[in-house]
Amino acid sequence: EVQLLESGGGLVQPGGSLRLSCAASGFSFSSYAMSWVRQAPGKGLEWVSGITDSGGSTYYADSVKGRVTISRDNSKNTLYLQMTSLRAEDTAVYYCAKRRIRWSCMDVWGKGTTVTVSS
Amino acid sequence: QSLLTQPPSTSGTPGQMVTISCSGSSSNIGGNTVNWYQQLPGTAPKLLIYNNSQRPSGVPDRFSGSKSGTSASLAISGLQSEDEADYYCAAWDDSLNGVVFGGGTKLTVL
Repeated sequence: EVQLLESGGGLVQPGGSLRLSCAASGFSFSSYAMSWVRQAPGKGLEWVSGITDSGGSTYYADSVKGRVTISRDNSKNTLYLQMTSLRAEDTAVYYCAKRRIRWSCMDVWGKGTTVTVSS
Repeated sequence: QSLLTQPPSTSGTPGQMVTISCSGSSSNIGGNTVNWYQQLPGTAPKLLIYNNSQRPSGVPDRFSGSKSGTSASLAISGLQSEDEADYYCAAWDDSLNGVVFGGGTKLTVL
C-alpha cells in the first residue's frame, strides 16, 4: 500500500525550530519529487516547499523562504522539513505529498502532522 | 489573497449538477495545467482531477474538469451527500516559481 506518514509536529515557542519527517512506503520514493503543503486552522491549502527526486533542486513559497529547508534521504525513504524562526502564522497541519507528473499534481498525501507556534 | 479565485461556497440538492470555478492569470492557469482536490471534513486532500480534465483511477465519472484560457471549472453531476466537502484548484505559477492553490470552495449538499 502506498503510504506517507508525517511526524515531528508539536508545540513550539515563537522563534523556535522544529524538524518534520515524512516516511514513505509502498512506492519507489527515490523516483518521485515531493512537496510539503500546510493548512492553517480553518483556512485553505498552502504549498510550502518542493524537492526533486534526487534532491538536487528545491523550491519554496515566499512565506517560508529563508526559514525553512526541505531535504530528503532516499536511503531511508524519508522527506524532511526543517523549520526555524517559527511564527504564530506557521501554525498549521503540515502534509507531505507525492508529485505526479507536475508539481501542482499531488496524488498521494499523508494524514498530516500539527505544528502549533505559541508561547 | 489567493492567486486562484474560487467562490467560497456553493450548494446543491441530491441529483443536481454543480460547477465550481477557478480563475487565475497567464502566469498560472493560462500557461499550466490545473488540478482539483477534494477534502472531506477532517481528512487529508485527495486528488480529484489532474491535467485539467483527467480522473485518477477510482474517481467516479460524475466528476469532470475543464480549462479555458485563464479559468478552469470542476463539475459534479448527480450530486450525492458524500460529495459534501471542500474543493481546491491548484496550478504552478511561473512568476512565483511555486504551486498556488485556490482559496477553496465549500460544497453543501442540501
